[in-house]
Amino acid sequence: SQQGEEDPQALSIQEGENATMNCSYKTSINNLQWYRQNSGRGLVHLILIRSNEREKHSGRLRVTLDTSKKSSSLLITASRAADTASYFCATDQNSGYSTLTFGKGTMLLVSP
Amino acid sequence: SAVISQKPSRDICQRGTSLTIQCQVDSQVTMMFWYRQQPGQSLTLIATANQGSEATYESGFVIDKFPISRPNLTFSTLTVSNMSPEDSSIYLCSVTSTGLHEQYFGPGTRLTVT
Repeated sequence: SQQGEEDPQALSIQEGENATMNCSYKTSINNLQWYRQNSGRGLVHLILIRSNEREKHSGRLRVTLDTSKKSSSLLITASRAADTASYFCATDQNSGYSTLTFGKGTMLLVSP
Repeated sequence: SAVISQKPSRDICQRGTSLTIQCQVDSQVTMMFWYRQQPGQSLTLIATANQGSEATYESGFVIDKFPISRPNLTFSTLTVSNMSPEDSSIYLCSVTSTGLHEQYFGPGTRLTVT
């Protein structure tokens, strides 16, 4: 079964606005990752947050992790039309090699 | 990060036939994975391709339907056998190496079965 569940399923905003996507999961994790997928192409790794971290930043991206609630959020600030894509969270339960379990994804549309 | 290519990028196949998808990496990697993404859905792991040994399949996927080869540390193939329209999906390979947790994905193969 899917480990991660994102919400919302779809999000439509204007350029310059912030976009927040949420992810919930069911079992304990080693780390949680966020990926972007443009138009059914390959996924691009965005950011990884470890289970002992609470917040992480990378450029316009901010990720939070609450292990007590088994949830994470991805914030994209000052969005651009080029941010239009599907965003997936993926959980890694192992401390060894990474077998990822992907959530259902949020489709983000940023309008100029 | 590794550069990954997949062939073919897309194909339209007849029911009952088989298609072999290739995944090539520009550097040696420890782990290679194959995923399926059905239309409008998320990614589901099919199997982990092991170099020099049989692949490790996830629940719901079997070797007879999805035979996988990995002859070396930079190349793997996935065959979709005896295809039906339900096999229409994007198939993606990904890689990672020891000490890394993030995966790097190929561009995907879009398969349509008619």
